[in-house]
Amino acid sequence: GNSVTQMEGPVTLSEEAFLTINCTYTATGYPSLFWYVQYPGEGLQLLLKATKADDKGSNKGFEATYRKETTSFHLEKGSVQVSDSAVYFCALLQGAQKLVFGQGTRLTINP
Amino acid sequence: DAGVIQSPRHEVTEMGQEVTLRCKPISGHDYLFWYRQTMMRGLELLIYFNNNVPIDDSGMPEDRFSAKMPNASFSTLKIQPSEPRDSAVYFCASSYGTRSLNEQFFGPGTRLTVL
Repeated sequence: GNSVTQMEGPVTLSEEAFLTINCTYTATGYPSLFWYVQYPGEGLQLLLKATKADDKGSNKGFEATYRKETTSFHLEKGSVQVSDSAVYFCALLQGAQKLVFGQGTRLTINP
Repeated sequence: DAGVIQSPRHEVTEMGQEVTLRCKPISGHDYLFWYRQTMMRGLELLIYFNNNVPIDDSGMPEDRFSAKMPNASFSTLKIQPSEPRDSAVYFCASSYGTRSLNEQFFGPGTRLTVL
């Protein structure tokens, strides 16, 4: 079946460091891909998405490019802030509505 | 606009008791999802509804779990009887399937502890 694999956390960085969180997927065809973010004590929020190969999703300084050759959707940010500390989930769309999530990566940014 | 509303935010109960979790989706959304989040299993989809009708309940762990959506603005997830292994954070999410490009809006979750 379809699945998503994320790099294991936790990830700890200093403020202004470059961030990469790896995400690869296994799926039939080319599903839409998503990154969701979960801040402490809150539900998940959509961060960005890409619906087809080579699309780049971007929001709040974060970017991810849909790479069908490597079945990947890595999340990047050039300069992280303390406020980016959260858990990040990669997900794919299975069928019309069903999201399949990765296990999540906890990110901590130190000042 | 109010987001997805869940109640209670925290629930502590004893094994064997019935637990009911409640969700009010965003007005106008036609899809509603129930998820469970644990450290061991991550985020799992339990069931989802479209226009109040259950579409896929393949993630419901066993017969002790049931979910209903009597109208477009209310859904419940019930566990009877509850067991310690049901301890988790339960999220409700909603979406406007035909317009939102599948963006799901999550509630703040209910943290359930079964002693």
